[in-house]
Amino acid sequence: AQTVTQSQPEMSVQEAETVTLSCTYDTSENNYYLFWYKQPPSRQMILVIRQEAYKQQNATENRFSVNFQKAAKSFSLKISDSQLGDTAMYFCAFMKGETSGSRLTFGEGTQLTVNP
Amino acid sequence: EAQVTQNPRYLITVTGKKLTVTCSQNMNHEYMSWYRQDPGLGLRQIYYSMNVEVTDKGDVPEGYKVSRKEKRNFPLILESPSPNQTSLYFCASTRQGTGELFFGEGSRLTVL
Repeated sequence: AQTVTQSQPEMSVQEAETVTLSCTYDTSENNYYLFWYKQPPSRQMILVIRQEAYKQQNATENRFSVNFQKAAKSFSLKISDSQLGDTAMYFCAFMKGETSGSRLTFGEGTQLTVNP
Repeated sequence: EAQVTQNPRYLITVTGKKLTVTCSQNMNHEYMSWYRQDPGLGLRQIYYSMNVEVTDKGDVPEGYKVSRKEKRNFPLILESPSPNQTSLYFCASTRQGTGELFFGEGSRLTVL
């Protein structure tokens, strides 16, 4: 079974600064996908970024980027130029195999607060 | 607009009173699933469905039932709710080819 661990229950950052959220996972699979989801106070789950395990290049989406270390089974999220609207719970998630919609395993979440 | 719609958004009920949380998606996705979110545990999958009439258990299926009679709908049924089912519930559908989940807005359920 796969496990996903987010070791930082809470983090804070000043507006305009950079913050990195950690995520590690455990799997024996070679083909899988990793995701970061954001959950603001509205409770809506929003996809932030997605990474295919077979791709060596780290995914980026505007101010969001990942550091994917496959051998170390690490998948951290870097948020640059933090904005107040980035305040949210962030979940790391793992999906094995083909993207037909198989089970998504989530980490415990990291509550990020951006301070003005 | 592509969306997943859940109802009700909030519900307070009593132990043993059967309830159904509805879920509907308009993206023609084959794969749908239900998750519950609890503090410190993240989201855990309850049930999933790979197509009409095809459903299977997720990580925490006890106390829940589902059905998939139509592609767009995937209701979650609590036959006899108990207080440990007090939680935030999410329905999701999956875009094939990317694995991206589209979530509903969540249903906050309290069982007294």
